[in-house]
Amino acid sequence: DQQVKQNSPSLSVQEGRISILNCDYTNSMFDYFLWYKKYPAEGPTFLISISSIKDKNEDGRFTVFLNKSAKHLSLHIVPSQPGDSAVYFCAASATDSGYALNFGKGTSLLVTP
Amino acid sequence: KAGVTQTPRYLIKTRGQQVTLSCSPISGHRSVSWYQQTPGQGLQFLFEYFSETQRNKGNFPGRFSGRQFSNSRSEMNVSTLELGDSALYLCASSPGTGGEKLFFGSGTQLSVL
Repeated sequence: DQQVKQNSPSLSVQEGRISILNCDYTNSMFDYFLWYKKYPAEGPTFLISISSIKDKNEDGRFTVFLNKSAKHLSLHIVPSQPGDSAVYFCAASATDSGYALNFGKGTSLLVTP
Repeated sequence: KAGVTQTPRYLIKTRGQQVTLSCSPISGHRSVSWYQQTPGQGLQFLFEYFSETQRNKGNFPGRFSGRQFSNSRSEMNVSTLELGDSALYLCASSPGTGGEKLFFGSGTQLSVL
């Protein structure tokens, strides 16, 4: 069963605008959440993470928001750049239940000039 | 610091054969995880090793196995290959203390004919 869901397979945004990628999870034991960026035939690259004790984490153009009551997190990219075009994966883990990351199926972001 | 290194980069096998993939983690990292990426299923967790012991295992058949050596390098083996095993196999390393981000290699692209 898919415990982490990214319901939008793709997203297209104009350069300079905000990109918002969404992620939902079902397991209330998840306490650590991450976003990865991936190009074809390459491994995922870590972008940003957030612990369940926080509701926001910011790193440059990237901000992750966590809403624990809704079991929802989102990644905001402001401003979006053409180089941001990639597949973005949301992942979650539960510290007390092992060390595996549960990934969503990804959202393909296209930033157009 | 060198990143996670996976070999070989590409592999073509036929049904029924077996295959061994190799992964060298980042120096100092004691945890190595393996993931399978397919277009339909996204990234799925195979197993995780820490100090030569399998700590966690995903929902894959026994044909998928792995091991870790004393220098933290890891190998993954798939026996009796099936067409559905065609995928990008990703290795990731981390210090192994939990609640941490994973660093991924570029993967081994396996094609089963």
